[in-house]
Amino acid sequence: EAGVVQSPRYKIIEKKQPVAFWCNPISGHNTLYWYLQNLGQGPELLIRYENEEAVDDSQLPKDRFSAERLKGVDSTLKIQPAELGDSAVYLCASSPEGVHSYNEQFFGPGTRLTVL
Amino acid sequence: GDSVTQMEGPVTLSEEAFLTINCTYTATGYPSLFWYVQYPGEGLQLLLKATKADDKGSNKGFEATYRKETTSFHLEKGSVQVSDSAVYFCALSDASNDMRFGAGTRLTVKP
Repeated sequence: EAGVVQSPRYKIIEKKQPVAFWCNPISGHNTLYWYLQNLGQGPELLIRYENEEAVDDSQLPKDRFSAERLKGVDSTLKIQPAELGDSAVYLCASSPEGVHSYNEQFFGPGTRLTVL
Repeated sequence: GDSVTQMEGPVTLSEEAFLTINCTYTATGYPSLFWYVQYPGEGLQLLLKATKADDKGSNKGFEATYRKETTSFHLEKGSVQVSDSAVYFCALSDASNDMRFGAGTRLTVKP
């Protein structure tokens, strides 16, 4: 079974440029998450989707960040414009249908963003 | 809100040494508890989990017991190997399945 796929793996851009990250979750997983992981820290939730609906985006900086999951499968996270402080690893995760505290989340390898 | 505090690293051990990484949590309800591991260049992988008090999660020689009385979920392994070198994250998940992670503990095992 294929895992969570993310692309690109690495991205280097100059500040004020736009950038987009793509995620394809495990087949059949209705819940999709985007996390931000700063160096030396644990992942922090940015947004959670149940199918195509964003059910928790309270931690997403909406002035520059946006996300979509139009068909309830793959998802895109965008930053426009990027700032120096956005340099981090952006992780995508998915979990099976149903919201339960015991559901394991399956993580992709992440996209490492460097903003110069 | 809910949170996780784990032992700061880095931790350096010799092969076959005993490992303990401490993790404590704060939660208003009855969360599930997890240990994830991140090998260099890879995404987080579930190592083990426990969903209720007194449950013991175990995998690959690692184990952790959900202790409600001390709000702890310490990770242990009796004999570490070089291949266990990685970053370990303690995490909790509440009823809405929002995962809260600790800051991570980097383990290096030397031959």
